[in-house]
Amino acid sequence: DQQVKQNSPSLSVQEGRISILNCDYTNSMFDYFLWYKKYPAEGPTFLISISSIKDKNEDGRFTVFLNKSAKHLSLHIVPSQPGDSAVYFCAASAKNTDKLIFGTGTRLQVFP
Amino acid sequence: DVKVTQSSRYLVKRTGEKVFLECVQDMDHENMFWYRQDPGLGLRLIYFSYDVKMKEKGDIPEGYSVSREKKERFSLILESASTNQTSMYLCASTQSSLANYGYTFGSGTRLTVV
Repeated sequence: DQQVKQNSPSLSVQEGRISILNCDYTNSMFDYFLWYKKYPAEGPTFLISISSIKDKNEDGRFTVFLNKSAKHLSLHIVPSQPGDSAVYFCAASAKNTDKLIFGTGTRLQVFP
Repeated sequence: DVKVTQSSRYLVKRTGEKVFLECVQDMDHENMFWYRQDPGLGLRLIYFSYDVKMKEKGDIPEGYSVSREKKERFSLILESASTNQTSMYLCASTQSSLANYGYTFGSGTRLTVV
């Protein structure tokens, strides 16, 4: 039973345009959400996070939006760059636990 | 620069062998985790540990065990390797509070069981 779902396994975007990666969750106890980026043969690296008390968090070119009523979050990358090409995982945790539940990942390709 | 180090990048083992995957962190983190990554399945939690000599089962513990004798080291053990354990294995650590930075991951060990 997949509690965190990324329904798009891949996404292809032209350089300079916006990339939007989506993530849905089912567990209403989740209160903290994170996005990780993973290059081949490397471990995932933290990108950006959001607490359930917020609906938006921004860090440079990266913005995460949270819609609690829809149990949906999205990561926006503007403008997209070729170096953003990687697999992106969303992850969630419930209150009073440090255990992260990861989604299945979306492979982003940014082409010139 | 803080680090989580996994001792091997690539391993090839035979079916039935006992396999040890080692992970060391230098951040004095309390919590350590083992995940495996498979295409279409994302990262799935195998085991985790909140303290020395403590261990908790994750979502897919079958066929695995762990050892945490020292705070900085968390070992994953495949008691009798099978081909369905061919995967990328990722170790991670974090402080007791999730804070804003989540886990720090190692670079992963790509294990092939033949």
